[in-house]
Amino acid sequence: NAGVTQTPKFRILKIGQSMTLQCTQDMNHNYMYWYRQDPGMGLKLIYYSVGAGITDKGEVPNGYNVSRSTTEDFPLRLELAAPSQTSVYFCASSSGPNTEAFFGQGTRLTVV
Amino acid sequence: GQQLNQSPQSMFIQEGEDVSMNCTSSSIFNTWLWYKQDPGEGPVLLIALYKAGELTSNGRLTAQFGITRKDSFLNISASIPSDVGIYFCAGPGKADSWGKLQFGAGTQVVVTP
Repeated sequence: NAGVTQTPKFRILKIGQSMTLQCTQDMNHNYMYWYRQDPGMGLKLIYYSVGAGITDKGEVPNGYNVSRSTTEDFPLRLELAAPSQTSVYFCASSSGPNTEAFFGQGTRLTVV
Repeated sequence: GQQLNQSPQSMFIQEGEDVSMNCTSSSIFNTWLWYKQDPGEGPVLLIALYKAGELTSNGRLTAQFGITRKDSFLNISASIPSDVGIYFCAGPGKADSWGKLQFGAGTQVVVTP
C-alpha cells in the first residue's frame, strides 16, 4: 500500500531557484495538506485542498503556491527559494476534515 | 486564527513512569487528534476523539476530550523505550475552518532505562 508518496526525499537549492515538491496519494482522499516543520517545532499548515480544483491558504502560505488538478496529486511550488524556507515539508491526506490524516515521509529541503 | 497550545514542551522520564501532556485551543474543537512522530518519519495517528467528555484508550495510551471542547489530554502509562518521540495534538477547529487541520507545537518525550 503506497498511501501518501512525496518526492524528492532530500533537496538542496540555491537562493532564488525554484522547485516543485511532489505529493500523490492513492486512497482517493478529497482533503490534502502541505505542512512545514522547522527543527524542534510543530507542523505549520502552508496550504490545503478540500477537493480537486479547490485550494486555500493555511497559516504560512507566503512564498509557496499549490495546484490541485486531480484528486491524487497536490504539488507544492517554491518560486524564489529563500533560506527561511529551509525546513522539512510534509504532505498529508484525509477522507474528511474530522478524520485521520495520513502523512508522507517528508521532503528535507535546504536553501543555501 | 485559532491557536493550539501544547505542554509540556519536553519530558525526560524513566522507563515505567507515566506521562501526561495536554493541549488547549483558543476556539472550540469538534475533533481532537493525537499523533506521534518518530525521528525521520511523518506523524502517525494514535487516538481520535469526537465528543466532549469522551475518554478513549489505545493500549497504554488514554486521551480525553475536555468538556469545554477547548482542551484535550493524553496519558501514557508505564512508559517503555519505544515511546520516545514527539507527540502532537491536532484538530480542524471550528466549522468555518473545516479542512484546516492544525497542530500543536509538540511534546518531546525521552525515556531513559
